[in-house]
Amino acid sequence: ILNVEQSPQSLHVQEGDSTNFTCSFPSSNFYALHWYRWETAKSPEALFVMTLNGDEKKKGRISATLNTKEGYSYLYIKGSQPEDSATYLCAWRAQTLTFGGGTRVLVKP
Amino acid sequence: NAGVTQTPKFQVLKTGQSMTLQCAQDMNHNSMYWYRQDPGMGLRLIYYSASEGTTDKGEVPNGYNVSRLNKREFSLRLESAAPSQTSVYFCASSVSSGGATDTQYFGPGTRLTVL
Repeated sequence: ILNVEQSPQSLHVQEGDSTNFTCSFPSSNFYALHWYRWETAKSPEALFVMTLNGDEKKKGRISATLNTKEGYSYLYIKGSQPEDSATYLCAWRAQTLTFGGGTRVLVKP
Repeated sequence: NAGVTQTPKFQVLKTGQSMTLQCAQDMNHNSMYWYRQDPGMGLRLIYYSASEGTTDKGEVPNGYNVSRLNKREFSLRLESAAPSQTSVYFCASSVSSGGATDTQYFGPGTRLTVL
């Protein structure tokens, strides 16, 4: 079983503050790293797919970076808003997707 | 465009009962997947079907069977439910299973409780 780990498991953020969290994955045989956003009572939705070392992706106030050599990705939320509250999942792509346990973000007004 | 649909949304079973979870997608995707989601453990792959006519085991296949009925439909069967199978089950689909960047699209989930 290949380990994809996310930390922290949960975090509380004050509205307007910025935050970031980590996904670590095996650095060997890397194909792609996916990020999904999962709001309560909804289905996970794709945020980013990253394939190259040094990749940076951005969608609104959310961005992600990728380091394939050391096996980690950071996801950043700038100026957090209550609508950013969700669980953020990363998934390491081998033959199939292996998901991490997620980071649950709660943005407090 | 419904995307990925799942039925039922909720189900309560007694230990030893059987049931089938249904999944359908209307995006003409080749690959379909079944996951279970347990607290703190993210999504774990049960079975997947890379293309119509093929199925493969994922990380946690024990106690489950699947059928790829046609290109649109992929069902998950619990032959003899156990309390350890209490979970939320998600179906997903993607254009293919071999592309590194192929995004998976998820259904709304089925919340299953086994007493």
